[in-house]
Amino acid sequence: GGIITQTPKFLIGQEGQKLTLKCQQNFNHDTMYWYRQDSGKGLRLIYYSITENDLQKGDLSEGYDASREKKSSFSLTVTSAQKNEMAVFLCASSIHSQDTQYFGPGTRLLVL
Amino acid sequence: AQKVTQTQTSISVMEKTTVTMDCVYETQDSSYFLFWYKQTASGEIVFLIRQDSYKKENATVGHYSLNFQKPKSSIGLIITATQIEDSAVYFCAMRGLTGNTRKLIFGLGTTLQVQP
Repeated sequence: GGIITQTPKFLIGQEGQKLTLKCQQNFNHDTMYWYRQDSGKGLRLIYYSITENDLQKGDLSEGYDASREKKSSFSLTVTSAQKNEMAVFLCASSIHSQDTQYFGPGTRLLVL
Repeated sequence: AQKVTQTQTSISVMEKTTVTMDCVYETQDSSYFLFWYKQTASGEIVFLIRQDSYKKENATVGHYSLNFQKPKSSIGLIITATQIEDSAVYFCAMRGLTGNTRKLIFGLGTTLQVQP
């Protein structure tokens, strides 16, 4: 077994601010993902990484940067937070890109 | 284009009964993978069960089972002997083998309320 940890649990920022969300996994999974979930909607892929130092854009990458400096961690940066933006950002990982994805507990973002 | 549709927005059932949640999908891929996840009130998303399209036998895990009807592009989730703690939002998801194969395509979810 393993666990995915996301920090912080809640993130409140100001408009235009650069905000960073962090994700750690101890599954020893190769592939990691960032999804965004808006209220009442499904999940949309922002970025994913199939190995250390690899980055691939998803459907929603504009306005975000990502970094995978270690196999166990994957961070997401909101480059310029937009006012009234409220969403949950979910990190996931899988053994390889074809396998079942497991999710972390999420970071809830609010921009004032 | 790939798409996943869950037509039931919410379902309410009595405890200890059986419930089926519907999901239909669209894909051009000949092989694909189907998943069901549960999102609890705390926001945690938990993997429940998976069906690989090339497998004819319906997957079963604990009190979760699938009704896979490939000709109808349908993958229903069946929960038997429901419990109060099964109350959650259930998401159907699909991943194909072409295009961005890393991406899960999610439905919008079905909210299940299990009444005592």
